[in-house]
Amino acid sequence: QQQVKQSPQSLIVQKGGISIINCAYENTAFDYFPWYQQFPGKGPALLIAIRPDVSEKKEGRFTISFNKSAKQFSLHIMDSQPGDSATYFCAAYNYGQNFVFGPGTRLSVLP
Amino acid sequence: DADVTQTPRNRITKTGKRIMLECSQTKGHDRMYWYRQDPGLGLQLIYYSFDVKDINKGEISDGYSVSRQAQAKFSLSLESAIPNQTALYFCATSDATGGNEQFFGPGTRLTVL
Repeated sequence: QQQVKQSPQSLIVQKGGISIINCAYENTAFDYFPWYQQFPGKGPALLIAIRPDVSEKKEGRFTISFNKSAKQFSLHIMDSQPGDSATYFCAAYNYGQNFVFGPGTRLSVLP
Repeated sequence: DADVTQTPRNRITKTGKRIMLECSQTKGHDRMYWYRQDPGLGLQLIYYSFDVKDINKGEISDGYSVSRQAQAKFSLSLESAIPNQTALYFCATSDATGGNEQFFGPGTRLTVL
């Protein structure tokens, strides 16, 4: 029940295209869903996060879509740029416990 | 200056050796964490500490121990390193009152021969 599933494992997108990464969880007690971005040689850094009381959150080119009934959430990167090439981790958290991370998606945006 | 620092950044050691990874933070956060990252497995929690007197095991604590020397310092030890502990190790911090964001250090790449 603590597992967070993430797909795809890797993704190649042309510059200007849309990148979509999907995650699914089982534990309905989770109440915070962040996405972390990690560049090679660096630690992960928070990109965007959502709580289950909203279905969508947008920050610039990055959007989280959240489907509470399906227990799924996804990251959409609009107008993808080569600088977006990184590994992306979804995660889930609820107060009193700790973060559970997905296995990661390696995104490559071709120029 | 980096808010969360880790030393060393790279380490090669031999099976059976004791090794310590250190983490320091200047963010003033109470909560500190140690994670292990392996390809295709994401980040797995080893140990975490919510304050200086609080130490808790994570999902993969076997073979590891920790010490919280001060609010700003959290060390991870491998008492007798083995090859399957070869991985990338990250320290992270979070603020109990300021939201749920975790701030990660740059990582330590550990190789056990």
